[in-house]
Order: sequence, then C-alpha cells, then structure tokens
Amino acid sequence: DAGVIQSPRHEVTEMGQEVTLRCKPISGHNSLFWYRQTMMRGLELLIYFNNNVPIDDSGMPEDRFSAKMPNASFSTLKIQPSEPRDSAVYFCASSGGDNEQFFGPGTRLTVL
Amino acid sequence: AQSVTQLDSHVSVSEGTPVLLRCNYSSSYSPSLFWYVQHPNKGLQLLLKYTSAATLVKGINGFEAEFKKSETSFHLTKPSAHMSDAAEYFCVVSGNNQGGKLIFGQGTELSVKP
Repeated sequence: DAGVIQSPRHEVTEMGQEVTLRCKPISGHNSLFWYRQTMMRGLELLIYFNNNVPIDDSGMPEDRFSAKMPNASFSTLKIQPSEPRDSAVYFCASSGGDNEQFFGPGTRLTVL
Repeated sequence: AQSVTQLDSHVSVSEGTPVLLRCNYSSSYSPSLFWYVQHPNKGLQLLLKYTSAATLVKGINGFEAEFKKSETSFHLTKPSAHMSDAAEYFCVVSGNNQGGKLIFGQGTELSVKP
C-alpha cells in the first residue's frame, strides 16, 4: 500500500487566494483526519470524518476553512481566502477503526 | 476527558546512552496509548501502541514503553541512543468515547550528541 497520499507537498500563495489541499487515505480505512502543525500551537486536529461523514469540526479555526469527503478515497481541505497566519504544515491521517492513525507526509503551506 | 502531558519539552543525550521520554496521561476510560515519532520535515510515524494487552510494549527501532496504571504513566525508553533517533516524539492517548480522535501531547524534542 502507498500509505496516505497528500498533494501538493508544498504550496506558496499570496494572501487572499484560495488554497485546496488534497488527501487520499489508505484503502479500506473508514476514518480520515485533518491536522495543522505550527511551532506556536503544535499539532491541532481540525476535523475528522467517519465513513465520509464529518463527525467533529470543532477544530476548524473559522469559516474560511472548509473540508469535504465526497467518497471514501478522497478528501479536500480548502482555505478561502487564505491569510499569512494560515501558514503551517497540514497533515492528513487515516484509520481503520482501531484508533491507530497513519499519517501522510504533509503539505507545507506558505501564505505571503 | 482524556489528556496527556509530556513532562520534558527537550531531552538531550549522548550517543550510546539510555533514552527516557516521560509521559503522563489522564483518562476516564481504559485508554489506548501511543508514541509517535516525527523526523524533521517528515510526517508522524507510529513507534508503538498499548491497547490493554501486555503492559510492556515493544516498538520499532529498539524503543519500548511501559504502561503503569497506578502512576498513570507511559514513559518511552531505549537502552542506547543512536544519532538517527534525533526527532520529535509525541505521546498520544485515545479513549473509547473519542470516536477515533487522538489527543496529542505537546511533544518532546530529542537531541543526540556524538
């Protein structure tokens, strides 16, 4: 298995632009998680899905952030409009139901 | 509610000496506990996990951790540090009521000196 796949690996954009991060979970996993990691705040859970349904989005910072999971093999995290304080590494993880999460390599986002 | 506290933000050891990274947890349920490692500019990798079986858990790269319910601890150890062990280590707790959510500690940065 290829593991969790994230794209792009690096994204540099200007303030105000829309950013879309993509994640392909491990095949057969039914839970998907989006995290954000910064030096100041550490690792934060933004939102997670079970069976493609959003279960807890209390970690989503504000309305500029949205996430979707249209099917079991794909999820997106969108920021619109982006701001410099959104600069971080965004991780996607998936789980097969035993609480063990497998992490992707992350997307390093820089908003200028 | 579950929580986890990593007692040291930074630990520095010499190559070949033992490693001890400390973690205490709080849980209303029988917890599952994990240690993850993150090397610079990489994603998180599972080192080991405890899920109510043996209290001494062996993981990859020679690491192990012991679940001590009386002390609510899950410290990570390794007998002999290697340069490649330099990384950030996260202690993580999950409970039955979390719906798969993991609660991460703040991380411990391990430095290994030659």
